[in-house]
Parts: sequence; structure tokens; C-alpha cells
Amino acid sequence: EVQLLESGGDLVQPGGSLKLSCAASGFSFSTYAMSWVRQAPGKGLEWVSGISGSVGSTYYADSVKGRFTISRDNSHNTLYLLMNSLRADDTALYYCAKDLRGSSLRGSFDSWGQGTLVTVSS
Amino acid sequence: QSALTQPPSASGSPGQSVTISCTGTSSDVGAYNYVSWYQQHPGKAPKLMIYEVSKRPSGVPDRFSGSKSGNTASLTVSGLQAEDEADYYCSSYAGSNDWVVFGGGTKLTVL
Repeated sequence: EVQLLESGGDLVQPGGSLKLSCAASGFSFSTYAMSWVRQAPGKGLEWVSGISGSVGSTYYADSVKGRFTISRDNSHNTLYLLMNSLRADDTALYYCAKDLRGSSLRGSFDSWGQGTLVTVSS
Repeated sequence: QSALTQPPSASGSPGQSVTISCTGTSSDVGAYNYVSWYQQHPGKAPKLMIYEVSKRPSGVPDRFSGSKSGNTASLTVSGLQAEDEADYYCSSYAGSNDWVVFGGGTKLTVL
């Protein structure tokens, strides 16, 4: 069974930094693209960033480009999201999601974690 | 403003059919057959219902179907059941334009 377990969410001040983690199990982690998708309170889904399988090519939404860095540790089956220069509009539940098809980012997410909450406020 | 446009709400009575539209552009929905649909119940993570325009993951009832014409994709739910009441989101691969884009979501109410 595929399991994705996010952690690292917290209350942080504007301009601060935070690193999210997603521990994966139940599938061959290195062979699948992974993404972070966020959902602000009461709002819709927003794709934030993705990373391909073994090669590790990275992709970002314009709203976070230059501030967020996605990475993965295939030896420890873990996905990360380093968030710098956080703003109030980054407040959201951050989900880790597995791409259905394989190593390339295609945006069909067949497995999701339960999310970790990031609150940016002074 | 979301990249893909969905109606904010839709409704139908039990047993009826309802169709939710998702309009994008020639750079996303119109360019790729990587349109997905997700169901989200309150307080829960999204669940993949349709991928690659019209394919259903294992376990998703065949009451759910997807299609695409030009820059508009559609999700049809036939034989509505009470448990289908949820928020539905479309998404599309968009290549180097925006990579992955979502619609704003549609709240489906079963009357």
C-alpha cells in the first residue's frame, strides 16, 4: 500500500523559512515523479512544485519560483520542500503527491498524503 | 484566478447525471491528453477519479467518465449517489508554460 506522510508544517513569521518532508513507502520511490500541492484555507488546489524520478529535474509554479526548492533523497524515500521568504499567502495545507505514470511529471496524482499545515503570520 | 475555469457549483438529484466542465487553453487542456479529475470530501485529501482525459483508476466506479473537446474537458457523473457530494477539481499538464495547472473547483450537491 502506498503511503505518504508529510511533516514539518508550523507557524512561521513572514520572511521566515521552513522545510517540509514527505516520507514515502509502498512503492519504488525513485521511479516516480513527485509533487507538492497546496490548499489555502477554504480555497482550491494549487500545484507548487514537482521533481522527476531518478534524474531529479525540478519544476516550480511562478508563485514560488526563486523562493522554494524541491528535492528528493531516493536512498531514504523522502521528498522535501525548502521554503524561504515566506509570505502570508503561502499559508496552506501542503500535500505531497505521487505521479501516476512514472518518472516524468505529468500531473496525474494517484496518491496523496494527509497534508501538513503551514501558517505564515506575525 | 485559477488557470482552468470550472463552474463553482453543480447539482443533481439522486439517479440523475451531471456534467462539470473545465476550460483551459491551447497550451494546457488543448495541447495534452493529461487531464485529470479529483474528488475531495471535506477534511480529506483529494482522490484521483479520472486521468489522461478518460481513464479510471482501479476502484473508481464506472459512473464517473471523462472527455475532452478542444480546450474544454468534462467530467460526467451518472446515477448520482449521496456520497458523490464533494468538491471536484480538474487539472492539466501544461508543459513548460506552467507545468501543472488546476481548476478552481466545483462543489457538487446531490439534492
